[in-house]
Amino acid sequence: EIVLTQSPDTLSLSPGERATLSCRASQSVSGSYLAWYQQKPGQAPSLLINGASSRATGIPDRFSGSGSGTDFTLTISRLEPEDFAVYYCQQYGSSPRTFGQGTKVEIK
Amino acid sequence: QVQLVQSGAEVKKPGASVKVSCKASGYSFTVYYMHWVRQAPGQGLEWMGWIYPNSGGTNYAQKFQGRVTMTRDTSISTVYMELSRLRSDDTAVYYCARDSGRDAFHLWGQGTMVTVSS
Repeated sequence: EIVLTQSPDTLSLSPGERATLSCRASQSVSGSYLAWYQQKPGQAPSLLINGASSRATGIPDRFSGSGSGTDFTLTISRLEPEDFAVYYCQQYGSSPRTFGQGTKVEIK
Repeated sequence: QVQLVQSGAEVKKPGASVKVSCKASGYSFTVYYMHWVRQAPGQGLEWMGWIYPNSGGTNYAQKFQGRVTMTRDTSISTVYMELSRLRSDDTAVYYCARDSGRDAFHLWGQGTMVTVSS
């Protein structure tokens, strides 16, 4: 089983600042099958990035994903008020599919 | 409209079973895999397994083997997740989520809260 470790657990930033979230895998994620999701309180997760770097439909370009192998990054270039949420990475290259524990981006 | 609509909240006693439904609409039901993911209160996301509606084939996370059963009814475009021998730590929101096969989850249901309490 691939274990995904996200860092930091919490990121305290102000609107307009840049957010950098990390996701590290215990072994290589095949095919860069790595996704990022955003979850707001009381809502289901929603897909931001798949294939490590492809934005899902309708996702603004301030969100970008990068990385390969075992190290992946989600960058939010300029935080908007609606971006304060919890973010999860997920690998879907091997079974079982696994999620990271999440990074909360909160308003400083 | 492409959507997944889940059944309503459930309250169960320890040892009982729960069956949650997920009705698909707006797309070809049998073409996409359907996964189940759960989230305990204040916790992260946990993958439980998938069902392929075309064949009924399933793949369950080892943690839930023997306790979970995923089925489908193609006549009404609905998948079901039944979890048996419920414990208090099964209290969670259960989500269905769709993928096209080795893909991310582009579409999620709204979630079903299952509370296990005596």
